[in-house]
Amino acid sequence: DVKVTQSSRYLVKRTGEKVFLECVQDMDHENMFWYRQDPGLGLRLIYFSYDVKMKEKGDIPEGYSVSREKKERFSLILESASTNQTSMYLCASSTRTSVALGASDKNIQYFGAGTRLSVL
Amino acid sequence: KQEVTQIPAALSVPEGENLVLNCSFTDSAIYNLQWFRQDPGKGLTSLLLIQSSQREQTSGRLNASLDKSSGRSTLYIAASQPGDSATYLCAVRPLISGGFKTIFGAGTRLFVKA
Repeated sequence: DVKVTQSSRYLVKRTGEKVFLECVQDMDHENMFWYRQDPGLGLRLIYFSYDVKMKEKGDIPEGYSVSREKKERFSLILESASTNQTSMYLCASSTRTSVALGASDKNIQYFGAGTRLSVL
Repeated sequence: KQEVTQIPAALSVPEGENLVLNCSFTDSAIYNLQWFRQDPGKGLTSLLLIQSSQREQTSGRLNASLDKSSGRSTLYIAASQPGDSATYLCAVRPLISGGFKTIFGAGTRLFVKA
């Protein structure tokens, strides 16, 4: 069974703290993603990675960094947490994308249960 | 820039009713479209994925259609049940992003009354 595990369901941190959110997948997926979800704004992509040690900025990377040292693990780092980073954080993974595969590449994204982070 | 809109934002129906959730997107150059379900405080669960070359997908009481030229997708839920109460999100993967990025709608919150 497919599994994406986020290390914490709930976190409370103080402004200025360095925060680590961990995500592990057991499906040998190449692609991993970090999103944040806010009411009325939907999911917004923070960073993604398509291979070990590779990372690409998403739509809202400011204030965040990521690390992918192993294929199964993708970490999101808040260098200095701020109150506007209070949000639900969702990790996802998927198989490698290949346009050439056409209809045979389903590329379903599998999500973790989420981490609700509160920064006080 | 690709934008995804879901209407209505919230919907309340009595148990047993058939219902349709709508999703529209601004750029038809997509790789695929996916419907997700999200329960309160939880992650997303994939329901159906439609490739750009397909017109519809079915899974049990769910049927999703795709009209790429008009930028629309619908999720049809037959004989709704209280257990269907959740937020339903639509998401597209634009070709321009090389298939990596997924653009999500804000979701439709569904409540099925017993």
